[in-house]
Amino acid sequence: RKEVEQDPGPFNVPEGATVAFNCTYSNSASQSFFWYRQDCRKEPKLLMSVYSSGNEDGRFTAQLNRASQYISLLIRDSKLSDSATYLCVVRGLTNAGKSTFGDGTTLTVKP
Amino acid sequence: NAGVMQNPRHLVRRRGQEARLRCSPMKGHSHVYWYRQLPEEGLKFMVYLQKENIIDESGMPKERFSAEFPKEGPSILRIQQVVRGDSAAYFCASSLESATNEKLFFGSGTQLSVL
Repeated sequence: RKEVEQDPGPFNVPEGATVAFNCTYSNSASQSFFWYRQDCRKEPKLLMSVYSSGNEDGRFTAQLNRASQYISLLIRDSKLSDSATYLCVVRGLTNAGKSTFGDGTTLTVKP
Repeated sequence: NAGVMQNPRHLVRRRGQEARLRCSPMKGHSHVYWYRQLPEEGLKFMVYLQKENIIDESGMPKERFSAEFPKEGPSILRIQQVVRGDSAAYFCASSLESATNEKLFFGSGTQLSVL
Protein backbone atom coordinates (compact mmCIF):
# COMPACT_ATOMS: atom_id res chain seq x y z
CA ARG A 1 0.00 0.00 0.00
CA LYS A 2 1.33 3.47 -0.88
CA GLU A 3 1.95 5.95 1.92
CA VAL A 4 -0.14 8.57 0.15
CA GLU A 5 -2.94 7.54 -2.18
CA GLN A 6 -4.88 9.66 -4.62
CA ASP A 7 -7.49 8.84 -7.23
CA PRO A 8 -5.54 9.42 -10.46
CA GLY A 9 -8.62 10.51 -12.37
CA PRO A 10 -8.77 12.02 -14.86
CA PHE A 11 -11.55 14.30 -13.72
CA ASN A 12 -13.18 15.98 -16.69
CA VAL A 13 -15.53 18.78 -15.68
CA PRO A 14 -17.21 21.73 -17.41
CA GLU A 15 -16.30 25.30 -16.58
CA GLY A 16 -18.09 26.49 -13.49
CA ALA A 17 -18.35 23.05 -11.93
CA THR A 18 -17.36 22.18 -8.39
CA VAL A 19 -14.90 19.32 -8.06
CA ALA A 20 -13.42 17.59 -5.02
CA PHE A 21 -10.29 15.47 -4.64
CA ASN A 22 -9.47 13.20 -1.75
CA CYS A 23 -6.16 11.90 -0.55
CA THR A 24 -5.49 9.28 2.13
CA TYR A 25 -2.28 8.76 4.05
CA SER A 26 -1.13 5.76 6.02
CA ASN A 27 1.26 7.24 8.60
CA SER A 28 -0.73 8.43 11.59
CA ALA A 29 2.33 10.39 12.80
CA SER A 30 2.14 12.71 9.79
CA GLN A 31 2.31 16.34 10.82
CA SER A 32 2.07 18.66 7.83
CA PHE A 33 -0.09 18.51 4.76
CA PHE A 34 -0.10 20.39 1.49
CA TRP A 35 -1.64 20.53 -1.94
CA TYR A 36 0.66 21.26 -4.86
CA ARG A 37 -0.22 21.86 -8.48
CA GLN A 38 1.84 20.55 -11.37
CA ASP A 39 1.31 21.59 -14.99
CA CYS A 40 2.50 19.27 -17.75
CA ARG A 41 5.29 17.81 -15.58
CA LYS A 42 6.76 21.22 -14.90
CA GLU A 43 7.88 22.09 -11.41
CA PRO A 44 5.28 21.56 -8.66
CA LYS A 45 3.96 24.76 -7.15
CA LEU A 46 2.47 25.10 -3.70
CA LEU A 47 -1.27 25.62 -3.88
CA MET A 48 -2.04 25.66 -0.19
CA SER A 49 -1.15 24.22 3.17
CA VAL A 50 -3.83 22.19 4.91
CA TYR A 51 -4.71 22.88 8.53
CA SER A 52 -6.78 20.91 10.99
CA SER A 53 -9.34 23.68 11.13
CA GLY A 54 -9.67 23.70 7.36
CA ASN A 55 -8.68 26.64 5.25
CA GLU A 56 -9.93 28.51 2.24
CA ASP A 57 -8.18 30.54 -0.43
CA GLY A 58 -10.57 32.05 -2.92
CA ARG A 59 -12.21 29.23 -4.85
CA PHE A 60 -10.09 26.57 -3.12
CA THR A 61 -10.91 24.90 0.19
CA ALA A 62 -8.75 22.32 1.92
CA GLN A 63 -9.82 20.06 4.77
CA LEU A 64 -7.93 17.66 7.00
CA ASN A 65 -9.49 14.73 8.83
CA ARG A 66 -6.85 13.27 11.14
CA ALA A 67 -9.10 10.58 12.55
CA SER A 68 -9.76 9.12 9.10
CA GLN A 69 -6.36 10.14 7.77
CA TYR A 70 -7.47 11.94 4.68
CA ILE A 71 -7.27 15.40 3.23
CA SER A 72 -9.43 16.96 0.60
CA LEU A 73 -9.34 19.79 -1.89
CA LEU A 74 -12.50 21.46 -3.16
CA ILE A 75 -12.43 23.71 -6.21
CA ARG A 76 -15.49 25.84 -6.83
CA ASP A 77 -16.42 27.59 -10.08
CA SER A 78 -13.75 25.73 -12.06
CA LYS A 79 -11.78 27.70 -14.64
CA LEU A 80 -10.02 26.42 -17.74
CA SER A 81 -6.77 27.46 -16.09
CA ASP A 82 -7.40 25.02 -13.22
CA SER A 83 -6.57 22.14 -15.58
CA ALA A 84 -3.50 20.52 -14.03
CA THR A 85 -2.37 17.63 -11.87
CA TYR A 86 -2.95 18.14 -8.15
CA LEU A 87 -0.46 16.53 -5.81
CA CYS A 88 -1.19 15.66 -2.21
CA VAL A 89 1.88 16.00 0.03
CA VAL A 90 2.38 14.68 3.54
CA ARG A 91 5.27 15.12 5.97
CA GLY A 92 6.12 13.48 9.24
CA LEU A 93 8.30 14.71 12.07
CA THR A 94 11.30 14.99 9.79
CA ASN A 95 12.86 17.67 7.69
CA ALA A 96 10.88 19.84 5.35
CA GLY A 97 12.07 18.16 2.21
CA LYS A 98 11.37 14.56 3.12
CA SER A 99 7.87 14.94 1.86
CA THR A 100 5.81 12.06 0.55
CA PHE A 101 3.98 12.94 -2.64
CA GLY A 102 0.92 11.25 -3.98
CA ASP A 103 0.95 10.31 -7.66
CA GLY A 104 -1.47 13.12 -8.40
CA THR A 105 -5.02 13.63 -9.63
CA THR A 106 -5.45 15.03 -13.11
CA LEU A 107 -8.14 17.64 -13.68
CA THR A 108 -9.30 18.82 -17.09
CA VAL A 109 -11.76 21.69 -17.18
CA LYS A 110 -13.58 21.99 -20.49
CA PRO A 111 -15.44 24.95 -21.96
CA ASN B 1 15.13 37.58 -7.13
CA ALA B 2 15.80 34.37 -8.96
CA GLY B 3 14.08 31.22 -7.83
CA VAL B 4 15.60 27.77 -7.73
CA MET B 5 17.72 27.34 -10.84
CA GLN B 6 18.38 23.98 -12.40
CA ASN B 7 20.44 23.12 -15.44
CA PRO B 8 20.44 21.70 -17.91
CA ARG B 9 16.71 21.58 -18.64
CA HIS B 10 17.18 18.55 -20.86
CA LEU B 11 20.05 16.08 -20.78
CA VAL B 12 20.55 13.17 -23.15
CA ARG B 13 23.03 10.46 -22.29
CA ARG B 14 23.89 7.06 -23.70
CA ARG B 15 23.92 4.03 -21.45
CA GLY B 16 27.13 3.90 -19.44
CA GLN B 17 27.81 7.64 -19.52
CA GLU B 18 27.71 9.98 -16.55
CA ALA B 19 25.02 12.56 -15.89
CA ARG B 20 25.57 15.70 -13.80
CA LEU B 21 22.59 17.75 -12.77
CA ARG B 22 23.04 21.16 -11.14
CA CYS B 23 20.85 23.10 -8.75
CA SER B 24 21.27 26.57 -7.29
CA PRO B 25 18.84 27.23 -4.43
CA MET B 26 16.90 30.41 -3.91
CA LYS B 27 18.93 33.25 -2.50
CA GLY B 28 19.27 32.85 1.23
CA HIS B 29 18.23 29.19 1.24
CA SER B 30 20.72 26.70 2.60
CA HIS B 31 18.57 23.55 2.50
CA VAL B 32 18.46 21.63 -0.78
CA TYR B 33 16.43 18.55 -1.68
CA TRP B 34 16.46 16.34 -4.77
CA TYR B 35 13.44 14.45 -6.08
CA ARG B 36 12.91 12.10 -8.99
CA GLN B 37 9.70 11.76 -10.96
CA LEU B 38 9.17 8.77 -13.20
CA PRO B 39 6.48 8.90 -15.91
CA GLU B 40 2.94 8.70 -14.51
CA GLU B 41 4.23 8.77 -10.93
CA GLY B 42 4.61 11.30 -8.15
CA LEU B 43 7.84 12.81 -6.91
CA LYS B 44 10.07 10.58 -4.84
CA PHE B 45 12.46 12.04 -2.26
CA MET B 46 16.10 11.23 -2.91
CA VAL B 47 18.39 13.32 -0.71
CA TYR B 48 18.54 16.35 1.58
CA LEU B 49 21.68 18.45 1.81
CA GLN B 50 22.95 21.52 3.55
CA LYS B 51 26.20 23.23 2.68
CA GLU B 52 28.98 20.61 2.69
CA ASN B 53 26.75 18.06 4.46
CA ILE B 54 24.44 15.27 3.42
CA ILE B 55 21.67 15.25 6.02
CA ASP B 56 19.39 12.51 4.73
CA GLU B 57 20.09 10.24 1.78
CA SER B 58 17.53 7.60 2.56
CA GLY B 59 15.93 7.90 -0.88
CA MET B 60 19.11 7.58 -2.89
CA PRO B 61 19.82 4.35 -4.77
CA LYS B 62 22.75 2.57 -3.15
CA GLU B 63 24.90 2.53 -6.26
CA ARG B 64 25.81 4.96 -9.03
CA PHE B 65 24.06 7.97 -7.47
CA SER B 66 25.76 10.65 -5.39
CA ALA B 67 25.02 14.23 -4.37
CA GLU B 68 26.97 17.12 -3.01
CA PHE B 69 26.41 20.72 -2.00
CA PRO B 70 29.81 22.38 -1.74
CA LYS B 71 30.60 25.52 0.19
CA GLU B 72 30.73 27.44 -3.07
CA GLY B 73 28.64 26.70 -6.11
CA PRO B 74 25.51 24.71 -6.88
CA SER B 75 24.39 21.37 -5.59
CA ILE B 76 25.25 18.51 -7.94
CA LEU B 77 23.40 15.25 -8.43
CA ARG B 78 25.68 12.80 -10.16
CA ILE B 79 24.60 9.57 -11.82
CA GLN B 80 27.37 7.28 -13.00
CA GLN B 81 26.99 4.64 -15.70
CA VAL B 82 23.44 5.63 -16.49
CA VAL B 83 20.86 3.02 -17.50
CA ARG B 84 17.55 3.44 -19.31
CA GLY B 85 15.67 3.20 -16.02
CA ASP B 86 17.34 6.44 -14.89
CA SER B 87 15.30 8.35 -17.48
CA ALA B 88 13.10 10.68 -15.45
CA ALA B 89 12.54 14.26 -14.41
CA TYR B 90 14.82 15.31 -11.57
CA PHE B 91 13.60 18.22 -9.47
CA CYS B 92 15.52 20.21 -6.94
CA ALA B 93 13.84 22.17 -4.16
CA SER B 94 15.11 24.52 -1.50
CA SER B 95 13.83 25.96 1.74
CA LEU B 96 14.83 28.67 4.15
CA GLU B 97 14.61 26.42 7.18
CA SER B 98 14.07 22.72 7.64
CA ALA B 99 11.04 22.72 9.90
CA THR B 100 8.35 20.28 8.97
CA ASN B 101 5.91 23.04 7.99
CA GLU B 102 8.44 24.92 5.91
CA LYS B 103 7.51 25.67 2.30
CA LEU B 104 9.49 24.13 -0.52
CA PHE B 105 10.33 25.99 -3.71
CA PHE B 106 11.05 23.87 -6.75
CA GLY B 107 13.26 24.38 -9.76
CA SER B 108 12.06 23.69 -13.30
CA GLY B 109 13.68 20.28 -13.28
CA THR B 110 16.09 18.41 -15.51
CA GLN B 111 14.62 15.87 -17.90
CA LEU B 112 17.15 13.09 -18.27
CA SER B 113 16.81 10.79 -21.25
CA VAL B 114 19.04 7.73 -21.50
CA LEU B 115 19.35 6.23 -24.96
